[in-house]
Amino acid sequence: NAGVTQTPKFQVLKTGQSMTLQCAQDMNHEYMSWYRQDPGMGLRLIHYSVGAGITDQGEVPNGYNVSRSTTEDFPLRLLSAAPSQTSVYFCASSYSPSYEQYFGPGTRLTVT
Amino acid sequence: GIQVEQSPPDLILQEGANSTLRCNFSDSVNNLQWFHQNPWGQLINLFYIPSGTKQNGRLSATTVATERYSLLYISSSQTTDSGVYFCAVERNDYKLSFGAGTTVTVRA
Repeated sequence: NAGVTQTPKFQVLKTGQSMTLQCAQDMNHEYMSWYRQDPGMGLRLIHYSVGAGITDQGEVPNGYNVSRSTTEDFPLRLLSAAPSQTSVYFCASSYSPSYEQYFGPGTRLTVT
Repeated sequence: GIQVEQSPPDLILQEGANSTLRCNFSDSVNNLQWFHQNPWGQLINLFYIPSGTKQNGRLSATTVATERYSLLYISSSQTTDSGVYFCAVERNDYKLSFGAGTTVTVRA
């Protein structure tokens, strides 16, 4: 049981490049979510999903896309990276937002 | 959206000391959770506590939902308690909102 896994751990992008952050969980959780963490601001919700085929926007969705084709995977796509997207990104999963959240180890992204 | 305020922003403790962290929220909530982020960045759920009191070892938490606040108590602090403590709330809209956190440093 690997829990929540995220790849890559570190990434450097140039402005305008695109990439996908991967997130997978093996706990059969319906609810998955993506957050970004910036200094002094806590974690902010980017997108979430309540099950395969269902996604919705969180607090800071602009510049990011998601899809949920399977229960296990919830990738986050950066369409055209900007320096403002430099952050640490966390993926989380749970049975629902009202249950214990399990977080992945994070991806540290730098956009130059 | 709902506002979540945590205090104090920073806390320095001597090993063995007790402390209280506070989380205030601006509206009624369906769910409140406390998390610990260790110095390596890993986030761990400590408590799911929309109301009442829970204890887990040296940590305990109390939420008074009617007055819109929650408290996290750390007793006999150890250096491994260092890190950032986050409070997060949800208003039955599938969106978890985090406070800015309290950074705790425990000195040996």
